[in-house]
Amino acid sequence: GENVEQHPSTLSVQEGDSAVIKCTYSDSASNYFPWYKQELGKGPQLIIDIRSNVGEKKDQRIAVTLNKTAKHFSLHITETQPEDSAVYFCAGNTGGFKTIFGAGTRLFVKA
Amino acid sequence: SQTIHQWPATLVQPVGSPLSLECTVEGTSNPNLYWYRQAAGRGLQLLFYSVGIGQISSEVPQNLSASRPQDRQFILSSKKLLLSDSGFYLCAWTFGQGYGYTFGSGTRLTVV
Repeated sequence: GENVEQHPSTLSVQEGDSAVIKCTYSDSASNYFPWYKQELGKGPQLIIDIRSNVGEKKDQRIAVTLNKTAKHFSLHITETQPEDSAVYFCAGNTGGFKTIFGAGTRLFVKA
Repeated sequence: SQTIHQWPATLVQPVGSPLSLECTVEGTSNPNLYWYRQAAGRGLQLLFYSVGIGQISSEVPQNLSASRPQDRQFILSSKKLLLSDSGFYLCAWTFGQGYGYTFGSGTRLTVV
């Protein structure tokens, strides 16, 4: 079955810097890759997603890139702000009923 | 618009007591529904999912069970709680295969 690995587990950046979180997946049939942000004490929230027919997608300060050949995808956050501090989860889906999540990355943005 | 409601927000239960957590979705029909558990500082563990009324798929054994008595209602239960059942329980829904999840606000369960 699908396996999604996420790195790093913890990331600390200065406010205004960029943050990059990387994920790899194992199942070449995976075709949908969402990213979730979880703030303390809350449920995860979908922030951006990408499908396998697209190489890059942007939404203001966040972007996701996908390399199908290498089976990896990344989340890029530019001009980080303290409110970006949270746990971020990547995930992969083959079009089935289950989405496989990465282990999460705790992002700290230092003011 | 669609909304998901999950309650209670927090729960403290003694070992051996029963559990019932409820999740409802509004504004859509025939959603796929999911129960996840998250231990402190850890990732998301899929417990159950349902693609229709009365259809439950289990990913985790033993002490927990789930039911879907109505199209937009998903219930997580236990007859006798264990200390290891403590955690943050999240309900989620999606339109169908290959779509993003919308999560509820979660229930923090502490078994004492």
